[in-house]
Amino acid sequence: AQKITQTQPGMFVQEKEAVTLDCTYDTSDQSYGLFWYKQPSSGEMIFLIYQGSYDEQNATEGRYSLNFQKARKSANLVISASQLGDSAMYFCAMRERDTGNQFYFGTGTSLTVIP
Amino acid sequence: EAGVAQSPRYKIIEKRQSVAFWCNPISGHATLYWYQQILGQGPKLLIQFQNNGVVDDSQLPKDRFSAERLKGVDSTLKIQPAKLEDSAVYLCASSPPGRTPEWDGYTFGSGTRLTVV
Repeated sequence: AQKITQTQPGMFVQEKEAVTLDCTYDTSDQSYGLFWYKQPSSGEMIFLIYQGSYDEQNATEGRYSLNFQKARKSANLVISASQLGDSAMYFCAMRERDTGNQFYFGTGTSLTVIP
Repeated sequence: EAGVAQSPRYKIIEKRQSVAFWCNPISGHATLYWYQQILGQGPKLLIQFQNNGVVDDSQLPKDRFSAERLKGVDSTLKIQPAKLEDSAVYLCASSPPGRTPEWDGYTFGSGTRLTVV
């Protein structure tokens, strides 16, 4: 079974608008972390935001926020006030305490910001 | 602080040839990882080192892939012989020692894009 599922292969958003990228996860571990990474065409994986499984508050980092719904096992990324530089691939990922430090990644969502 | 360094950035080889990638992690990061990212997919872990010992290589195709970590710092990943399906981006990452699901400064390099023709 897939540990991370991203069902939106591609998304478009108007500049200055907000956009939500979906992510659902599957784990039986009680302690885990959820992450979002941005991958521009240059290839590097840029860390955006982290949410711990025991965190009660949704994580926020500048224009990024993570909508964490534990019971539904979802961890959606919200980007507010989209900018042209936000156009990139976005990956949802998870780390579990029981399986060491490796990341499990989804298949990604390609975001295009339209001027 | 310097990031994770990888070289080369791009490599094109013919099938059945061999190729090697190099990674220098962030100073002080005891754990080093190699991921394979096939086009249209998320990265998949190939091998994880703790200092110069292998922690997890369960997804490394050992008949053709090998990796080593010299003196617990730099690492090389080798493919011999390469197949067409090895075309991918190979990402190196490093993190501080310890096992945690939390954010700990885990950092990825820019990757090596391999094309096998």
